[in-house]
Amino acid sequence: LAKTTQPISMDSYEGQEVNITCSHNNIATNDYITWYQQFPSQGPRFIIQGYKTKVTNEVASLFIPADRKSSTLSLPRVSLSDTAVYYCLVALHYGNNRLAFGKGNQVVVIP
Amino acid sequence: EPEVTQTPSHQVTQMGQEVILRCVPISNHLYFYWYRQILGQKVEFLVSFYNNEISEKSEIFDDQFSVERPDGSNFTLKIRSTKLEDSAMYFCASSEYRDREKLFFGSGTQLSVL
Repeated sequence: LAKTTQPISMDSYEGQEVNITCSHNNIATNDYITWYQQFPSQGPRFIIQGYKTKVTNEVASLFIPADRKSSTLSLPRVSLSDTAVYYCLVALHYGNNRLAFGKGNQVVVIP
Repeated sequence: EPEVTQTPSHQVTQMGQEVILRCVPISNHLYFYWYRQILGQKVEFLVSFYNNEISEKSEIFDDQFSVERPDGSNFTLKIRSTKLEDSAMYFCASSEYRDREKLFFGSGTQLSVL
């Protein structure tokens, strides 16, 4: 399983765009990049997934450079309710039976 | 939106007692999982289950743990003889067969072993 590295925590003001970068230098050809969000006392929640270039949905955007050794989750105009831990995961697509969560990135949105 | 449901939300037990945590996965999902999270720590994989058998398990999932799908809807985790260090939030999750990076998690069962 490819190892991921994220910053431990970051603060942001309400209304700002938040960018969270994840390093995954040994990503394999068939690995996909997936991001989850976890609020206190809740299970993780899938946010977005991508393989290369850019993916956007109603919650976030995911930017993946050509070498795929890193990815950036972008949260537009965060609100207080976006305070959560964000996890970057790299896993084999269509064949993974044990998704592994790292320590994640604690994002705190400040009023 | 369909969701994974877990019962009970809180469970308090004495050390050495058996506990069964229950989960109802999303109905058309074929893969089921148990994870746990000790307070302040990361979410840890315990076991995955497919086609009525364990698909993968972690080193945490020793002989004290077992999983079962007793009927067409429930998925259970049994801890035979609980230890103090089993105190954690236990999350059940399910996924579609071909989209196994997209897990749907329940809201968890907080297990406290006294």
